[in-house]
Amino acid sequence: SQTIHQWPATLVQPVGSPLSLECTVEGTSNPNLYWYRQAAGRGLQLLFYSIGIDQISSEVPQNLSASRPQDRQFILSSKKLLLSDSGFYLCAWSTSGTVDQPQHFGDGTRLSIL
Amino acid sequence: QKEVEQNSGPLSVPEGAIASLNCTYSDRVSQSFFWYRQYSGKSPELIMSIYSNGDKEDGRFTAQLNKASQYVSLLIRDSQPSDSATYLCAVNRVTGGGNKLTFGTGTQLKVEL
Repeated sequence: SQTIHQWPATLVQPVGSPLSLECTVEGTSNPNLYWYRQAAGRGLQLLFYSIGIDQISSEVPQNLSASRPQDRQFILSSKKLLLSDSGFYLCAWSTSGTVDQPQHFGDGTRLSIL
Repeated sequence: QKEVEQNSGPLSVPEGAIASLNCTYSDRVSQSFFWYRQYSGKSPELIMSIYSNGDKEDGRFTAQLNKASQYVSLLIRDSQPSDSATYLCAVNRVTGGGNKLTFGTGTQLKVEL
């Protein structure tokens, strides 16, 4: 069966510090991968999605970036965090090749910026 | 108009009652519809998928889809306190390529003893 791992679970970072969040998927090949942010009391905002290695699309302009160095690894990064980057970051995967498949989420990373 | 709209709630129902959660969407050509449950502080969990008009039942959950009215709903029978959570409606995006979903902001359900 497929599993998705996301770490760390919680992170407290000062303003201006760098960020690296990692997500890996097991049990499937060539998944579509996604990064979302959920601010407190808000909906899910799609940040990045990827259909393959080094194929990343950004949904909204921001100071975050994403990379996919391996088929089942997705990394969210920032060089300098802003206060507005606080939130609940979720990685998700879906089966590639069809537009009908649901997305499955990791446990998330709760990021607090001080 | 939001792409996917849900009443934020909270929707309060007594234990054992039927909870009815509603969602409307704006993209008439959407074909795939999903319901996720999100407990406080946790990530969303897929509970139902529906692709065709009509009803789809899975245990205590029934999803209903009406594409002509651009409306999808989730019924929870015999509601339990453990069903208390926020329920997110998600609709596939046809434009822009890839398998992307648009999520509503969710309806908070409270099942009271």
